[in-house]
Formats: sequence, structure tokens, C-alpha cells
Amino acid sequence: GQSLEQPSEVTAVEGAIVQINCTYQTSGFYGLSWYQQHDGGAPTFLSYNALDGLEETGRFSSFLSRSDSYGYLLLQELQMKDSASYFCAYNTNAGKSTFGDGTTLTVKP
Amino acid sequence: NAGVTQTPKFQVLKTGQSMTLQCAQDMNHNSMYWYRQDPGMGLRLIYYSASEGTTDKGEVPNGYNVSRLNKREFSLRLESAAPSQTSVYFCASSEGSRDYEQYFGPGTRLTVT
Repeated sequence: GQSLEQPSEVTAVEGAIVQINCTYQTSGFYGLSWYQQHDGGAPTFLSYNALDGLEETGRFSSFLSRSDSYGYLLLQELQMKDSASYFCAYNTNAGKSTFGDGTTLTVKP
Repeated sequence: NAGVTQTPKFQVLKTGQSMTLQCAQDMNHNSMYWYRQDPGMGLRLIYYSASEGTTDKGEVPNGYNVSRLNKREFSLRLESAAPSQTSVYFCASSEGSRDYEQYFGPGTRLTVT
């Protein structure tokens, strides 16, 4: 079957580092994307990994291991505005994306 | 650029009524998508269009129809609304070579009573 698993909730304090894990199971895997969604808002694209390794974009980094069907999003120097839901999504050769159920990150002062 | 726009923002329907959700993008993207998001859950693909004139079913197409009117516009129609279709509906678009990077509209919050 096809699926993604990520933790439902994560809590961290301002200034800390947090890692959100994502495991997936699918055929025809092309890559793993990450999206951020604030409460009541639309998802916005953060990062994409097609190859194994780390991609860095400012305070956010994303990692992929294709052999382990695993990836993570790393958020550094957490700020209150980072409180949001984070979704991993895999992209397949059919051009479609399948999204996980999301991880709600709460950043506390 | 407005990006991806959706109308209406909110809608309340009675069971059995029909309606069309409108979506337009001004980024010259080939691919467009319709998703639904239920509370506490991820996005589920309803329909997908890789280019003008083509559409393809996603994970949850039952009860919906779509039209790719032109490159800019992609509409979603509910022929006979049911309470199970109460959800937030998002339209998205992407360049064909970068389908992993999707741009989303603000969403339509639909309640079916």
C-alpha cells in the first residue's frame, strides 16, 4: 500500500532545535516534500529532497534516506511564528503528491 | 501576481444541493489540483489536471466532477452535496517539471447540513 507516518504533535521551546520525522511506503517514489500550514491558512512549500542527504534553506533543513524510506525536517532557532502544522508528502512518477496527516508543532516561550 | 485564487471563501449547502468551486492561477502552471482537508488530517487529492484538457482521478473522486476550462482555470463541482463532503477545499498548481512544489489557494470552507 501507500502511506506516510509522522508524529501527530511535537512541542519545543523558543530557540531550540526540533526534528519532525516522516516514514513512507510507496512504489514509484520520486522525492519527499515538506509543507507548512498555519492554523486557518493554506499550505506553503518549504523543501524537497529527491536524493539522499541534507538540503538546507535558512533555519530549515530536510533530510532523505531512500534506502530507509525515511526523511525528516529540522527546524533550528525556533521562533513563536514556527508554531504550525508540518506535512511531509511524497511525489511519484505519476506527478501526484500524497500527504501525511501532519505534525502540529507548538513552540513555547 | 495574485497566485492561486479560489471562490467562494465560505459556503453552506443543504444536502442534495449542487455548487461549483472556482480556482484560477496566474503563474502559467501546467498542473492543477483539487484537495480536501478534514479536521486534523492531511490533504487528500480529489482530482488532478496535468495540462489543459486532461483530468485524472485522485484518492477521493467520488461525488465530484472537474473541468479544466483553460490553462488558468480548474473548477470542482459537487452535483448532490452530502454531509460527508463538509471540508476545506484547496486548489493548487505547479509547474509540470516541479510537481513536488505546489502553490495553494486560500481554501473554501464548505459546510453541508
